[in-house]
Amino acid sequence: DAGVTQSPTHLIKTRGQQVTLRCSPKSGHDTVSWYQQALGQGPQFIFQYYEEEERQRGNFPDRFSGHQFPNYSSELNVNALLLGDSALYLCASSLVNNPVPNEQFFGPGTRLTVL
Amino acid sequence: GESVGLHLPTLSVQEGDNSIINCAYSNSASDYFIWYKQESGKGPQFIIDIRSNMDKRQGQRVTVLLNKTVKHLSLQIAATQPGDSAVYFCAEYGPTQGGSEKLVFGKGTKLTVNP
Repeated sequence: DAGVTQSPTHLIKTRGQQVTLRCSPKSGHDTVSWYQQALGQGPQFIFQYYEEEERQRGNFPDRFSGHQFPNYSSELNVNALLLGDSALYLCASSLVNNPVPNEQFFGPGTRLTVL
Repeated sequence: GESVGLHLPTLSVQEGDNSIINCAYSNSASDYFIWYKQESGKGPQFIIDIRSNMDKRQGQRVTVLLNKTVKHLSLQIAATQPGDSAVYFCAEYGPTQGGSEKLVFGKGTKLTVNP
């Protein structure tokens, strides 16, 4: 049973570019949350998707957008990249009918570097 | 507001000693308080959680203590092993106005276990 997978593992972009990160949830999960983790900091919640809709959003600008597909996989898009967007982007999956912390699983993350 | 923080950024212990990692939180409305372990290059891994109506919970070699009076959370690791070396985050988990759940992380404590 595959856990949460993310691609790519590493990515280098330049300022102003756009990036798309991908996440496949754990088998059986229907909810995907995205987090940004700056170096030396704890993860910060970006948004959560369920039934292909954004359920909730953290304090991130509209440059950050997402999508969830019918197979529950998800994408995170960031437009007009800034140097400060350099971070580890984490995806976590869960089941909407079992919203407990020990049933939310994180992927390994995508390391984004903006030059 | 949302604020989960840690008292110490680094902790160094000898193998076999007990480790105690502390955390201060501010949102008393959270349902769960959680400890995560994050190894280099990996996503956060759930260790143990405690519901807000409890004050102590034990797992395998780990114990979490919750003091709601002073809004303090701690993680105790017994007989610390080199494999315990990682960054440890505390986090709060609870419902939001939108009906979904969200994790709020602290900054992390880096635990180093010396052989």
